[in-house]
Amino acid sequence: QKEVEQNSGPLSVPEGAIASLNCTYSDRVSQSFFWYRQYSGKSPELIMSIYSNGDKEDGRFTAQLNKASQYVSLLIRDSQPSDSATYLCAVPRPSGGSYIPTFGRGTSLIVHP
Amino acid sequence: GAVVSQHPSRVICKSGTSVKIECRSLDFQATTMFWYRQFPKQSLMLMATSNEGSKATYEQGVEKDKFLINHASLTLSTLTVTSAHPEDSSFYICSARGVKLEQFFGPGTRLTVL
Repeated sequence: QKEVEQNSGPLSVPEGAIASLNCTYSDRVSQSFFWYRQYSGKSPELIMSIYSNGDKEDGRFTAQLNKASQYVSLLIRDSQPSDSATYLCAVPRPSGGSYIPTFGRGTSLIVHP
Repeated sequence: GAVVSQHPSRVICKSGTSVKIECRSLDFQATTMFWYRQFPKQSLMLMATSNEGSKATYEQGVEKDKFLINHASLTLSTLTVTSAHPEDSSFYICSARGVKLEQFFGPGTRLTVL
């Protein structure tokens, strides 16, 4: 089982709709969860972090965490064509007193007008 | 969020030459930085973890003698690709780790080896 799993997509949604991106992770002791956005040809950009169960909202973005189910999701409300990008889920894995960055393969989102 | 710069943004070099890429955290001190490589339409691949004042930790399959990493200060890490060959052509990205384990990425360096 991969440490962090995401559906590679592409996920295609119409402009104005809600885009739902999902991620599961394997290490139960993980405490920190991140979503990054990567436009084609660019480096990733941190858009959301979440550390406790429940929802965290920031503008049009909502991160949802369920540690019991080892599941973290990202909702994008009122999707815009400019949201079209690859979204990376990251769950740092404890290792030898430090943390190893662990990314999913990313979900490609396409928002069509 | 924190700002991380990378230089150069793009480099073209001849096969056999060495290329140095600098990564700087501009507004915070980063004890840990990471170096990634990304081929077109592929996932991010972690190459190594760069720790200030100590040797880098390389991921399996990454040649430490080919990809030299130096993290001499809390704001600067460098990656040197030695004796570069066309197969080393890729997008190299650094990141600095924040106190809550978040990562702030540099803009990346696109390396083309002729």
